[in-house]
Amino acid sequence: EPEVTQTPSHQVTQMGQEVILRCVPISNHLYFYWYRQILGQKVEFLVSFYNNEISEKSEIFDDQFSVERPDGSNFTLKIRSTKLEDSAMYFCASSVRVGTDTQYFGPGTRLTVL
Amino acid sequence: DAKTTQPPSMDCAEGRAANLPCNHSTISGNEYVYWYRQIHSQGPQYIIHGLKNNETNEMASLIITEDRKSSTLILPHATLRDTAVYYCIVRVAPPKAAGNKLTFGGGTRVLVKP
Repeated sequence: EPEVTQTPSHQVTQMGQEVILRCVPISNHLYFYWYRQILGQKVEFLVSFYNNEISEKSEIFDDQFSVERPDGSNFTLKIRSTKLEDSAMYFCASSVRVGTDTQYFGPGTRLTVL
Repeated sequence: DAKTTQPPSMDCAEGRAANLPCNHSTISGNEYVYWYRQIHSQGPQYIIHGLKNNETNEMASLIITEDRKSSTLILPHATLRDTAVYYCIVRVAPPKAAGNKLTFGGGTRVLVKP
């Protein structure tokens, strides 16, 4: 069964450093998403992406964040200058279509900012 | 998207049916009910969704009341591996999909006991 994959599973970085989290969505999916979950808190939407542009972003997704689909398979989330409060699980998701189409999530990347 | 209310936690005996309630009294006619679960900080896993008819798949059954103000997710024979946080999410149908994001609440923490 096809699935969303994410690398790395755990990333440790120093405050102020740039990180890139990588995702490989399900191959025939066209819509891509990033969510995050701070330890003990709810899963929060960050951004959705379609046709090489952002469809929607949350207030969390400020200028420090960017997304890119550099090739036909990868979808990345970049945090330019990490802060302590960026420590969280980051989940990538993908769906075939817009709207109520089911989103399938990857296993997540645990980001720890020291 | 309409707000949902779920009990914060519940226990279930292994092998028994688990009935997880969700209230969505402000749901509108074009909103779907989705269920996801999250096992110990893994990525959210899609379970099932429905509009107004009851639905069943290999994982669970979804019973939606006739007035659509509440629903129940049924895990027919709970196993220890079903221990997870279960999220009931209401999503608007296209074309007014509001960017397709999923809005997670606190969910119900289900503990399946031997």
